[in-house]
Amino acid sequence: AQSVTQPDIHITVSEGASLELRCNYSYGATPYLFWYVQSPGQGLQLLLKYFSGDTLVQGIKGFEAEFKRSQSSFNLRKPSVHWSDAAEYFCAVSGGYNKLIFGAGTRLAVHP
Amino acid sequence: DTEVTQTPKHLVMGMTNKKSLKCEQHMGHRAMYWYKQKAKKPPELMFVYSYEKLSINESVPSRFSPECPNSSLLNLHLHALQPEDSALYLCASSQGDRSNYEQYFGPGTRLTVT
Repeated sequence: AQSVTQPDIHITVSEGASLELRCNYSYGATPYLFWYVQSPGQGLQLLLKYFSGDTLVQGIKGFEAEFKRSQSSFNLRKPSVHWSDAAEYFCAVSGGYNKLIFGAGTRLAVHP
Repeated sequence: DTEVTQTPKHLVMGMTNKKSLKCEQHMGHRAMYWYKQKAKKPPELMFVYSYEKLSINESVPSRFSPECPNSSLLNLHLHALQPEDSALYLCASSQGDRSNYEQYFGPGTRLTVT
């Protein structure tokens, strides 16, 4: 069965520090992977996606993610976090009929 | 323009009311989705419309009735809801229903059932 695991429920970092959010997936075929961000009470905004090709993908707001097939991972990174990055982050894999299967989410808090 | 709009932003309804949520996109997308999101949880898929036809119903109770009047509009009709149906309802759209099409989400409707 397809699934996505985000091991970290809550992460706190200092402003200016680097960030890595973990995501592991379980999917039989070539996965289509996404990272979304959600600010409180808002909809989801697509940060980046991986379909094929270069395993390091660049997204909006200075985020990047690396696809590692051997580790079934798609971790999200940012070299320097800004206070406005505080939000909920969801990793997702696309199944049949474009059904998105989300991880449980990681809540990011940023200390000034 | 990658905007999906949803109205209303907030909705409070009693258990005997009938109301509708509306979603609109003008990106020429041919697949549209309804998700339900409870607090501190990821979105859960409810319905998928592909080319204006219902293609997926994730065993949603009949008190939720989706409608796709045309390729740009998606409605969710609500009737006889329960307090546990209170949630953020998100609409999304994508170019098609293939797995390599990213979904764009609206801001959601915050529904409270009293």
